Amino acid sequence: KAGVTQTPRYLIKTRGQQVTLSCSPISGHRSVSWYQQTPGQGLQFLFEYFSETQRNKGNFPGRFSGRQFSNSRSEMNVSTLELGDSALYLCASSLVGTKNIQYFGAGTRLSVL
Amino acid sequence: DQQVKQNSPSLSVQEGRISILNCDYTNSMFDYFLWYKKYPAEGPTFLISISSIKDKNEDGRFTVFLNKSAKHLSLHIVPSQPGDSAVYFCAAFGGATNKLIFGTGTLLAVQP
Repeated sequence: KAGVTQTPRYLIKTRGQQVTLSCSPISGHRSVSWYQQTPGQGLQFLFEYFSETQRNKGNFPGRFSGRQFSNSRSEMNVSTLELGDSALYLCASSLVGTKNIQYFGAGTRLSVL
Repeated sequence: DQQVKQNSPSLSVQEGRISILNCDYTNSMFDYFLWYKKYPAEGPTFLISISSIKDKNEDGRFTVFLNKSAKHLSLHIVPSQPGDSAVYFCAAFGGATNKLIFGTGTLLAVQP
């Protein structure tokens, strides 16, 4: 079975731009969660999607949004990028929810200049 | 407010010895705990978990201990191997938030 695939692996953007990250979950997994990892902060939960609906949300500003498609693939969008948005963005999929074991992709490294 | 804390940013251990990674939490409603391991340029991978109804769970060289009264869990790796060198995250689930809360991670270096 293919693992969780995140594209692109690396991105460089400038302040004020917007960016879209993509995540393809493991086949059969219906829950997709997104996390932001920065040095010293661990993994901060962004949101979780299940069956195309946002089921849970972390404490991030509205500039961070996401969606899930009928095939469970998910996208995350960040608008009006700030320098502090530079981070590793990780996507994780699981069968039914975040309490289940989550399988992570390798992440997208976003650098905002 | 960091509900899950890993107070040791790094740990160095000799090959063959025991590695003990510690994690503290503040929310007594957490009822499920997990450990993930992360190598550079890879996503975290699940290692072991424990439910709050247990105080110990073992899987090969890895054992997780849970002390609910102290709100503390630890991961023991015996014997430690150089391939265990990675960042280890503990995570907790439960309560009203229904989210998985991660600690900040501990970098384990196993010296040959």
